[in-house]
Amino acid sequence: DTAVSQTPKYLVTQMGNDKSIKCEQNLGHDTMYWYKQDSKKFLKIMFSYNNKELIINETVPNRFSPKSPDKAHLNLHINSLELGDSAVYFCASSQDETGGDTEAFFGQGTRLTVV
Amino acid sequence: ELKVEQNPLFLSMQEGKNYTIYCNYSTTSDRLYWYRQDPGKSLESLFVLLSNGAVKQEGRLMASLDTKARLSTLHITAAVHDLSATYFCAVDIGTSYDKVIFGPGTSLSVIP
Repeated sequence: DTAVSQTPKYLVTQMGNDKSIKCEQNLGHDTMYWYKQDSKKFLKIMFSYNNKELIINETVPNRFSPKSPDKAHLNLHINSLELGDSAVYFCASSQDETGGDTEAFFGQGTRLTVV
Repeated sequence: ELKVEQNPLFLSMQEGKNYTIYCNYSTTSDRLYWYRQDPGKSLESLFVLLSNGAVKQEGRLMASLDTKARLSTLHITAAVHDLSATYFCAVDIGTSYDKVIFGPGTSLSVIP
């Protein structure tokens, strides 16, 4: 049973299109995240969402928007896609516990290619 | 601004050898994570280090944390091919995961 699942795994689309990536976690975690991994494998957090509080990395363009229909889902919407958006996007979740383990569990990633 | 560095970035080692990957960070933190990523795959949590002097071991991997030196190490003992992957350290500077900064990763290749 997959803990954090993303769909689709691969996404090829043209510049200017709008696309969404879905993410679901069945771990009962209260925080979910989106990360971007570039071609050099560098990982950067884009968003975290906890109990209706959204924390945004200020470097993320506003063409990217997370949507959380419920605690188990955090979808990523991207408008007006650009070539530079090509990357692997990872969804993750964690259970916030003060002073305790807050390791994240990652989805399998979505490889987005903008042509 | 927090900087997280890993050394080396690329490592090719023979099976059976030992080696250490270093993770340095530039600000105070007492919580650090190590992850493994196989090519084209997701990130898998290896270790969570929560305090100064923390040491954890799993199989041929051992991780430690020195918060005073702002240094974590991932030691590989008697490497085997299955350990070939990219290893990331991630430093937590907040109370929840949104303040976690990843290092650039160390790409490890274990050759026969």
